[in-house]
Amino acid sequence: DQQVKQNSPSLSVQEGRISILNCDYTNSMFDYFLWYKKYPAEGPTFLISISSIKDKNEDGRFTVFLNKSAKHLSLHIVPSQPGDSAVYFCAASPRTSGTYKYIFGTGTRLKVLA
Amino acid sequence: DAGVTQSPTHLIKTRGQQVTLRCSPISGHKSVSWYQQVLGQGPQFIFQYYEKEERGRGNFPDRFSARQFPNYSSELNVNALLLGDSALYLCASRGAGTNTGELFFGEGSRLTVL
Repeated sequence: DQQVKQNSPSLSVQEGRISILNCDYTNSMFDYFLWYKKYPAEGPTFLISISSIKDKNEDGRFTVFLNKSAKHLSLHIVPSQPGDSAVYFCAASPRTSGTYKYIFGTGTRLKVLA
Repeated sequence: DAGVTQSPTHLIKTRGQQVTLRCSPISGHKSVSWYQQVLGQGPQFIFQYYEKEERGRGNFPDRFSARQFPNYSSELNVNALLLGDSALYLCASRGAGTNTGELFFGEGSRLTVL
């Protein structure tokens, strides 16, 4: 049972354009969401997070949107740069549990073309 | 400051053997989590430890065990290895007072079971 889904395994975007990565979840108990980026041979690196009390969080070129009614979140990268090419994972957790047991999606491989 | 360090980085075992993976969290971090990432999938939660106590356990068989030491480092043990245990094992630490709930990941230990 995949509670966090990233239905697009890959995405190609031209440098300077917007990258939109999507993530859907099924568990209504999830109230905290994060995005991680992973380069080959490295561990995942935290990008941005959002709590369910918000519908948007912005950090530089990265913005995460949360639509609780649709159980959907998205990561926008503007403008996209070649160095953004990596695998992106969304993760969710019921934060109030006290256990940071994050459920990860299967990832979306982003390729930014120069 | 050193990040999360894991050892060994790569190892090969045969079915039925036992393996111990080690993790040192970021200095000052008292929470350590272990994740398994199988090729093509997102990281899957195995354990979380905080102050040497188990705080959470994922859906893994009893062949998987872990512990945390007084210096907050941690070991993950897997007994009676199966071919399906081949994966990247990620350790992550988290500090108190981290508002984002961010986990800091190490580069992982890649286990191959033959």
